[in-house]
Amino acid sequence: RKEVEQDPGPFNVPEGATVAFNCTYSNSASQSFFWYRQDCRKEPKLLMSVYSSGNEDGRFTAQLNRASQYISLLIRDSKLSDSATYLCVVNMRRGNTPLVFGKGTRLSVIA
Amino acid sequence: ETGVTQSPTHLIKTRGQQVTLRCSSQSGHNTVSWYQQALGQGPQFIFQYYREEENGRGNFPPRFSGLQFPNYSSELNVNALELDDSALYLCASSLVAEETQYFGPGTRLLVL
Repeated sequence: RKEVEQDPGPFNVPEGATVAFNCTYSNSASQSFFWYRQDCRKEPKLLMSVYSSGNEDGRFTAQLNRASQYISLLIRDSKLSDSATYLCVVNMRRGNTPLVFGKGTRLSVIA
Repeated sequence: ETGVTQSPTHLIKTRGQQVTLRCSSQSGHNTVSWYQQALGQGPQFIFQYYREEENGRGNFPPRFSGLQFPNYSSELNVNALELDDSALYLCASSLVAEETQYFGPGTRLLVL
């Protein structure tokens, strides 16, 4: 079983739609969780960290369910500029340890 | 921009050759991590350097090696290149005690 699994998509949605991405991780000892965004042929960029209490940043909401080892990202009111690959990322320990990436979920927002 | 730079941006090599990729970390960052991203995959951890010492290594063979310099910049060396080494190579800089890693733009390597 892969350490971090995501639905690869692609997700093709119209502007204004709400879209949700899911991710599961295999190591129950994992400590930190993130969503990164990667545009085509560019480097990954941190979108948001994910906390057990859930967190929101504008149109983006991230949730963590430790019992189910499940992470989600919800994007409301999709914009064309949201088109990218969204990477689910897990850190096994606190602090600066290797990040473990999922394969990414591709989103295309269509006008 | 993250302030992390990498060179070169693109590189074409043939099987069996050796390659050196370079990374300059963000000002003040003392840790550099290297990742390999094959097409359609997420980045895979190669190794990390902290204070010029290797501080963790992923599942990559010894022909992948690295260095970190006193100014915290870093090199990734790959010997005896194979076709499967074709990928985007990313470096990420950070502070050792913090979780956020800042990625450079990457070097795209093609092995023919």
